[in-house]
Amino acid sequence: EVQLVESGGGLVQPGGSLRLSCAASGFTLSSHWMNWVRQAPGKGLVWVSGINGDGSSIAYADSVKGRFTISRDNAKNTLYLQMNSLRAEDTAVYYCTRDLGAWWGQGTLVTVSS
Amino acid sequence: DVVMTQSPLSLPVTLGQPASISCRSSQGLVHSDGNTYLNWFQQRPGQSPRRLIYKVSNRDSGVPDRFSGSGSGTDFTLKISRVEAEDVGVYYCVQGTRWPWTFGQGTRVEIK
Repeated sequence: EVQLVESGGGLVQPGGSLRLSCAASGFTLSSHWMNWVRQAPGKGLVWVSGINGDGSSIAYADSVKGRFTISRDNAKNTLYLQMNSLRAEDTAVYYCTRDLGAWWGQGTLVTVSS
Repeated sequence: DVVMTQSPLSLPVTLGQPASISCRSSQGLVHSDGNTYLNWFQQRPGQSPRRLIYKVSNRDSGVPDRFSGSGSGTDFTLKISRVEAEDVGVYYCVQGTRWPWTFGQGTRVEIK
């Protein structure tokens, strides 16, 4: 059974950093595009970043470019999102998803506030 | 960026009646590989999104056959043939043909 389990969220001050992880099971991470999608409280879904199977192709939304870094460790079957220079507007539930939303994790809440 | 526009944004429906949600893209969504990467998701209250339809009209495993997707070019539709209580939630379309992937604003389906 496919499972995606996010972790690493929490409360951080503006300008701070967090690293999110997404542990995958039930499939081989290296065979799929993986993405991060976020949802601000009471708002819609917004794609944040994506990475292909071997990590050779990466894309970011303009709103996070230069601040967030997506990566993957296929040996550990884990996807990451390093988030630096965090802003209040980055507050959201962050989901990892496989392909174009074929599978979703339960999400991890990131709150940026002083 | 491709702008995805859903309508209506709120959809009150009587149980057992049909419902239809429109999703229009600002650009055509046919990829160079010939596929159209337009998916539909359901997000029930308090839950993660769940994919219902992929590549316009393909229903995911376990999705009831009362859900169907159609469309082409820039105009796409999700239909529920007979709404049930468990269908309450927000429905999103997303395009994965061009970077960045973009979602519609969401359509809230509620029971009258």
